Amino acid sequence: KQEVTQIPAALSVPEGENLVLNCSFTDSAIYNLQWFRQDPGKGLTSLLLIQSSQREQTSGRLNASLDKSSGRSTLYIAASQPGDSATYLCAVIDSNYQLIWGAGTKLIIKP
Amino acid sequence: SQTIHQWPATLVQPVGSPLSLECTVEGTSNPNLYWYRQAAGRGLQLLFYSVGIGQISSEVPQNLSASRPQDRQFILSSKKLLLSDSGFYLCAWSFRVLRDFNYGYTFGSGTRLTVV
Repeated sequence: KQEVTQIPAALSVPEGENLVLNCSFTDSAIYNLQWFRQDPGKGLTSLLLIQSSQREQTSGRLNASLDKSSGRSTLYIAASQPGDSATYLCAVIDSNYQLIWGAGTKLIIKP
Repeated sequence: SQTIHQWPATLVQPVGSPLSLECTVEGTSNPNLYWYRQAAGRGLQLLFYSVGIGQISSEVPQNLSASRPQDRQFILSSKKLLLSDSGFYLCAWSFRVLRDFNYGYTFGSGTRLTVV
């Protein structure tokens, strides 16, 4: 059974710092991995999707990497800003085409 | 481009009243459609998914039901709401074709339901 774990559960850093959010999964048989952002009381916004054949994806200050063999993905945020404060969710699409979710990392960027 | 619409954004309903939440997708055909619930401080739970008109799969036994009367319309319903039905409900869609799963899932903006 696929399980997705996100570490840390919460993170508070000063503005301007670079930071890394971690996501691990137990079964390497995935179709892709998707990172989402959720602001309080809002829906989910897709940030990056990494296909199973890819190693990384970049969008602006965000870079997501994928190492299927070790069951790990990282989301790197460069030059963090207060507007980056949100909960970041990692999800894998497993062999049954279902989304398996991590519990999320709550990120606070202090001005 | 594809868009997903979900309404209403917020809803306060008394216990025992009926519920109808609607979700529509534009810009694609034959999508997979999903209803998720997020209880306060908890993760996302898949409630229903649909691979076609009239085809509904339920992931958890509950007081809710789903219907797909049209290809791009997904409705979440209840005949009598319970207090435990309170939560944040999210609709999502994905492509159905295997290779197109590389495009991932797209979520609506959610409905905050409070049962009082």
